[in-house]
Amino acid sequence: IQMTQSPSSLSASLGDRVTITCQASQDIRDYLNWYQQKPGKAPKLLIYDASNLETGVPSRFSGSGSGTTFSFTISSLQPEDIATYYCQQYDDFPITFGGGTKVEIK
Amino acid sequence: EGQLLDSGGGLVQPGGSLRLSCAVSGLTFSSYAMTWVRQAPGKGLEWVSGITATGGNTYYADSVKGRFTMSRDNSNNQVYLHMASLRAEDTAIYYCATGRYIQGRFDYWGQGTVVTVSS
Repeated sequence: IQMTQSPSSLSASLGDRVTITCQASQDIRDYLNWYQQKPGKAPKLLIYDASNLETGVPSRFSGSGSGTTFSFTISSLQPEDIATYYCQQYDDFPITFGGGTKVEIK
Repeated sequence: EGQLLDSGGGLVQPGGSLRLSCAVSGLTFSSYAMTWVRQAPGKGLEWVSGITATGGNTYYADSVKGRFTMSRDNSNNQVYLHMASLRAEDTAIYYCATGRYIQGRFDYWGQGTVVTVSS
């Protein structure tokens, strides 16, 4: 299953609303997770099953979608949100990740 | 809270072998599936392999099938990735990760271990 993530990078101002999309090549129901990866660090789970916020993750992060089209939103961009974000499907093997979206501050 | 510590990376020549290890603490290890994910320099994440909680089933990416073998020792809370016939394109940071189900979310991650395949 191919996961197409867009954009591959974006630049936004602090406080902006940021949205990333992930398109699956086939129906994956809601079997989609979102991760944040900061430079030199391991990925961190933010959203699971398309829309569920992982414990301890700030509420400015959210996810939505089902089937083939998904979105991930940061409602108000903070300095600590500078990172690369990845979607991941687990509907079928091989498990696949999107190509990533690098978020920078304008 | 789960803690994962990966180790075993290093420099290896093309065609060589290497065994990665991942020690897990803070979880009931035998109840968790385990996964290896890699990241080539400057690239995105690539799922490599997964093993069920009991170790009864393993799954591999096509890019490593037949060359890599994943195993686990539930008495010692460790998971392993034996890598053989290594190629330059296997050069990456290798992360172990875990979640309750072999198909699901990866709740906990190791810090990563670097594998470099070069002559």
